[in-house]
Amino acid sequence: NAGVTQTPKFRVLKTGQSMTLLCAQDMNHEYMYWYRQDPGMGLRLIHYSVGEGTTAKGEVPDGYNVSRLKKQNFLLGLESAAPSQTSVYFCASSYSKGLQETQYFGPGTRLLVL
Amino acid sequence: SQQGEEDPQALSIQEGENATMNCSYKTSINNLQWYRQNSGRGLVHLILIRSNEREKHSGRLRVTLDTSKKSSSLLITASRAADTASYFCATASLTGANNLFFGTGTRLTVIP
Repeated sequence: NAGVTQTPKFRVLKTGQSMTLLCAQDMNHEYMYWYRQDPGMGLRLIHYSVGEGTTAKGEVPDGYNVSRLKKQNFLLGLESAAPSQTSVYFCASSYSKGLQETQYFGPGTRLLVL
Repeated sequence: SQQGEEDPQALSIQEGENATMNCSYKTSINNLQWYRQNSGRGLVHLILIRSNEREKHSGRLRVTLDTSKKSSSLLITASRAADTASYFCATASLTGANNLFFGTGTRLTVIP
């Protein structure tokens, strides 16, 4: 099993450009999450999903949109990138026991917005 | 913020020594988890301790939880160079949002 995979691994954007980050998991997990990690601030939850077709806002949702059209995929979109969105983005997934159980993380996407 | 806080922020020890990291949090929790992150990689789950547990072991890891003090500790015994990583605690709140809140991490360096 590949676990949780993310594409791309690294991307440079200009302010105002848009992009989509893709997360895929092959563990048949119900729950999926998008976090951002910034120096000295730990991980902060952007959006999450409790199942196919459902999404919800996390701690820092502004400037991002998500979609969960297929159970195995969770997409994070930036419609108009800003320098403040320069960060490392992590996707995670967990079993259907609930949002508070063990999470499995992808390797991350490093995004630089100029 | 419900975020946990790890202490110390950085720790450097010799191989073979024990490493202790602490986590303090603010709200009542359902469980507390510890994760490891190697440089440039994603987080890897180490251990989960529930609010009704006081101590848990997994290999060279020992986790304690004191809900009265809202604190937890992670002990790594007989450290190895491969243990060099950042360690994060994550809390699952009993009330409010149903997600994990991660601390800012402890950077552990094990010198061979």
